[in-house]
Parts: sequence; C-alpha cells; structure tokens
Amino acid sequence: ETGVTQSPTHLIKTRGQQVTLRCSSQSGHNTVSWYQQALGQGPQFIFQYYREEENGRGNFPPRFSGLQFPNYSSELNVNALELDDSALYLCASSPPWGDSSSGANVLTFGAGSRLTVL
Amino acid sequence: QKEVEQDPGPLSVPEGAIVSLNCTYSNSAFQYFMWYRQYSRKGPELLMYTYSSGNKEDGRFTAQVDKSSKYISLFIRDSQPSDSATYLCAMSGSSNTGKLIFGQGTTLQVKP
Repeated sequence: ETGVTQSPTHLIKTRGQQVTLRCSSQSGHNTVSWYQQALGQGPQFIFQYYREEENGRGNFPPRFSGLQFPNYSSELNVNALELDDSALYLCASSPPWGDSSSGANVLTFGAGSRLTVL
Repeated sequence: QKEVEQDPGPLSVPEGAIVSLNCTYSNSAFQYFMWYRQYSRKGPELLMYTYSSGNKEDGRFTAQVDKSSKYISLFIRDSQPSDSATYLCAMSGSSNTGKLIFGQGTTLQVKP
C-alpha cells in the first residue's frame, strides 16, 4: 500500500511568482486536504477536495487554489507569492468510510513540499 | 487567542522517563482529538485518536480527554530515544472533515 507522495520536495521561488505543488493520495482514499506549516508552528488547514470540488476552506486568500483529478490526486497552486508563504506544504488524504472503529476521519500525511520564497 | 494551545517546549527527559504532553482548547464543539508525531523533515504521523471524553491506551501511549476542562493529554511510558520528535495535538468537530485544528507542537528529546 503506497502512502501519500508529494512533489517537489523542495523548491525556491521569488516574490510574485507562481508555484504548483502536487500530491498523490493513498490508495483507497478519495479526499485530499492541504495544510501550510510555518517553521515552529502546527499545520494550518488551507482547503479540502472531495469529488474534484473544494469542500471546505481555511483562512487563506483566493490566490491559494487547488484541483483534484479523477484519480484523486491533487494540486495546490499559489499565485503572487509573498515572503510569508515560505513554509512546508502538507497534503493529507483520507478514506471515504472513516476509521473502521470510530468512524473518525483519519488523515494520512505526506512528507511535504518545502517552499522558500526569496 | 488560538483555538488550541500547546506548550512548544522543548522538553528534555532521560530514557525510561514518563512523558506528559498537554493541550488546551477553547471550542466546545470539538469532538475528535488526535495526537500526531512528526520527525524532522517528515509529515505528521497519527499516533492516537479519541472520540469525546475518556482514555485510550495503545502500548506505551495513553491519550486522555477531559472535555469539561477542555484539556487533552498524551502520556508516553518508558520513553525511548526514538520517541524524540515533535508531538502535535489536533482536533475537529466532525468525523467527516479533513479540517483539523492543530496545536503548535511540543518538541521532545529523550536522552540515552
């Protein structure tokens, strides 16, 4: 069973540029969530995709956008990069049925894409 | 004020010690409580989850939730150097959501 894979691992951009980050969800998972984790902070929810549509969004501006594809993989796009966008971007996938015992929506995270904006 | 508060540490203990990690929260709608472990340069890995109040044990790990006090804890018995990592508490109000609210994370170092 493959886990969540993300690419690229690291990237450096300059202020004002655009970036696309990619995520392949774990086998059997149909929901993908994206998180931003600044250095020394906990992850912050950006948005969730289910059935190729955004299904819940955190406190992030519209220049953060995403896509989900029929194979449940996903992209995170960030336009007009700012210095504060420098962070680890985490993708997490979850199954349609939740945890077998509790029903809780258990997220499996990838290793992340570390973005540096200069 | 943040919805979830967690002392960032760092916390340093000798091998074999009992470790206590804690979070407080303000949103009474939270029903699902999780602890994630994050090693350096890795994504968070789910350790424990608990629904509503109560205790849950898994090997050396015990999670406790006290909803009346809005306080959750993770205990690690017989701590090992391999337990050295950042521990993140997370919570949500629904089972059917990818939106978790995380604490800042506590960095733990277990010294041999």
